[in-house]
Amino acid sequence: SQTIHQWPATLVQPVGSPLSLECTVEGTSNPNLYWYRQAAGRGLQLLFYSVGIGQISSEVPQNLSASRPQDRQFILSSKKLLLSDSGFYLCAWSEDPGGKLFFGSGTQLSVL
Amino acid sequence: GDSVTQMEGPVTLSEEAFLTINCTYTATGYPSLFWYVQYPGEGLQLLLKATKADDKGSNKGFEATYRKETTSFHLEKGSVQVSDSAVYFCALSDVSNTGKLIFGQGTTLQVKP
Repeated sequence: SQTIHQWPATLVQPVGSPLSLECTVEGTSNPNLYWYRQAAGRGLQLLFYSVGIGQISSEVPQNLSASRPQDRQFILSSKKLLLSDSGFYLCAWSEDPGGKLFFGSGTQLSVL
Repeated sequence: GDSVTQMEGPVTLSEEAFLTINCTYTATGYPSLFWYVQYPGEGLQLLLKATKADDKGSNKGFEATYRKETTSFHLEKGSVQVSDSAVYFCALSDVSNTGKLIFGQGTTLQVKP
């Protein structure tokens, strides 16, 4: 069966520090991968999605970047965190566009 | 652009009460509509979906009907349980079918025994 792993679960980082959140999927190949963010009081916002290795689409201009070095690995990064980067980050995957999304357990990021 | 609006929470109900969580959307074309649920300490999971007008999605006693005329997808359950306490998200899919979802802000449901 397929599983999705996302870590860490919580993270507290100072402003200006780098960020790396990792997500891996098991039990499937060539998944569509997504990074979402939920800011306090707001809905989930799509940040990045990827349909294959090295293929990244960015939905909103921001301080973050994403990479997909392997088929089932999706990394969210920042060189210098801002206070506004605080939020709940969710990784997700689907077998095909428009199909059911499976979500990781999320990372609560606090930038202080 | 496309958007989803949910009723604000938190919603607090007694066990066996009737539940309605309102959801309305704005979209070009005819998107698919979804309800996702996030139980405490767990990740989001799909609760139900509807892909075209007048479709009814149902799962675990929850139902929602795709109403094109009112651009709504309200979530209902006839008798809630304590175990239904969670955050519920309404969402629509991007009509270009890239798999992107646009979510509402989420509604927290608390069911008391």
